[in-house]
Amino acid sequence: GENVEQHPSTLSVQEGDSAVIKCTYSDSASNYFPWYKQELGKRPQLIIDIRSNVGEKKDQRIAVTLNKTAKHFSLHITETQPEDSAVYFCAASKGTDKLIFGTGTRLQVFP
Amino acid sequence: NAGVTQTPKFRVLKTGQSMTLLCAQDMNHEYMYWYRQDPGMGLRLIHYSVGEGTTAKGEVPDGYNVSRLKKQNFLLGLESAAPSQTSVYFCASSGAGTGTQYFGPGTRLLVL
Repeated sequence: GENVEQHPSTLSVQEGDSAVIKCTYSDSASNYFPWYKQELGKRPQLIIDIRSNVGEKKDQRIAVTLNKTAKHFSLHITETQPEDSAVYFCAASKGTDKLIFGTGTRLQVFP
Repeated sequence: NAGVTQTPKFRVLKTGQSMTLLCAQDMNHEYMYWYRQDPGMGLRLIHYSVGEGTTAKGEVPDGYNVSRLKKQNFLLGLESAAPSQTSVYFCASSGAGTGTQYFGPGTRLLVL
């Protein structure tokens, strides 16, 4: 079955710097890749997603890139702010199949 | 439009007790899911449903049962709680054909 690996498990950056989180997946048939942000004590919330027919998607300071050949996708956050501090999860699925989540990255942005 | 709601928010059980967690969604979504989240383990799928009256096992189904008698509700049952089931439980739902899941606020369960 599908397996999603996520790196790094923790990431500390200075405010204003960029942060990059990477995920790899095992099933080449996967075609939907969302990213969720989870603040402490809160529910996971979708921040951006990408489908396999595009290689990059941007939404203000966040972007996701997808390399289907290498089977990896990445989350890029530019101009980080303290409110970006949270745990970020990547996930992958085939069509409308269930999502398989990575184990999460704890991002800390220091002022 | 409340989205996805969960009841209760927090519960303490003794080993061997039973309980039911309720998930409700008002988005007319076909698919619903139950996850557990433990520190350092991410989100693990317990059971899911692709429509009213249907359920399927996820990654960690042992010790749990589910029912989807109404489209808007998805119930998770623990027949005989164990300390290993101490966790935060999240429900999620998604529309057919989208794959995008929306999560409820979570239920924190402590089994003593």
